[in-house]
Amino acid sequence: DAGVIQSPRHEVTEMGQEVTLRCKPISGHDYLFWYRQTMMRGLELLIYFNNNVPIDDSGMPEDRFSAKMPNASFSTLKIQPSEPRDSAVYFCASRPLARGNTEAFFGQGTRLTVV
Amino acid sequence: AQSVTQPDIHITVSEGASLELRCNYSYGATPYLFWYVQSPGQGLQLLLKYFSGDTLVQGIKGFEAEFKRSQSSFNLRKPSVHWSDAAEYFCAVGAYNQGGKLIFGQGTELSVKP
Repeated sequence: DAGVIQSPRHEVTEMGQEVTLRCKPISGHDYLFWYRQTMMRGLELLIYFNNNVPIDDSGMPEDRFSAKMPNASFSTLKIQPSEPRDSAVYFCASRPLARGNTEAFFGQGTRLTVV
Repeated sequence: AQSVTQPDIHITVSEGASLELRCNYSYGATPYLFWYVQSPGQGLQLLLKYFSGDTLVQGIKGFEAEFKRSQSSFNLRKPSVHWSDAAEYFCAVGAYNQGGKLIFGQGTELSVKP
């Protein structure tokens, strides 16, 4: 398996523009997580899905952020409009449902810079 | 509330020396505990995990960690550090009743002196 795949790896955009980050989880995994990494706040969970359904979005910073999972093999995180303080590395992770194996597998991340 | 504390922001050790990275957690039930490593510009790679059973767990790259319930700790150790171990290390607790979401510590950056 190719692992969790995120695209793009790097994104530079101007303030006010819409940004869409993409994630393909590992096939067969039931949970998908979006994390954000910044120097100030470290790694924080934004939202997670179970079987394509959003379960907990309490970490989404504000209404400018939205996430979808239209099917088991694809998820997006959208920021509209983007702001410089959204600059961060965004990670997607997935994990299977099976008990006794709750480790999450991470993608390589998308480094977002908003200028 | 669930939380993870890594008291050391940055540690420098000499190559060949032993290493211990500290991790303390706060969790209301039996925790699932993890150590991940992140090299610059890379994602997070799992070093080791604790779910239950033997409190001393072995991981990849010669790392081990010991779960001490009485101290709410899960410290990471390596007997002899290699220059390639320079990276950032994250301790995390998994909330298995919340989808297994991970709560991370702030990370410890490890530098290795020749």
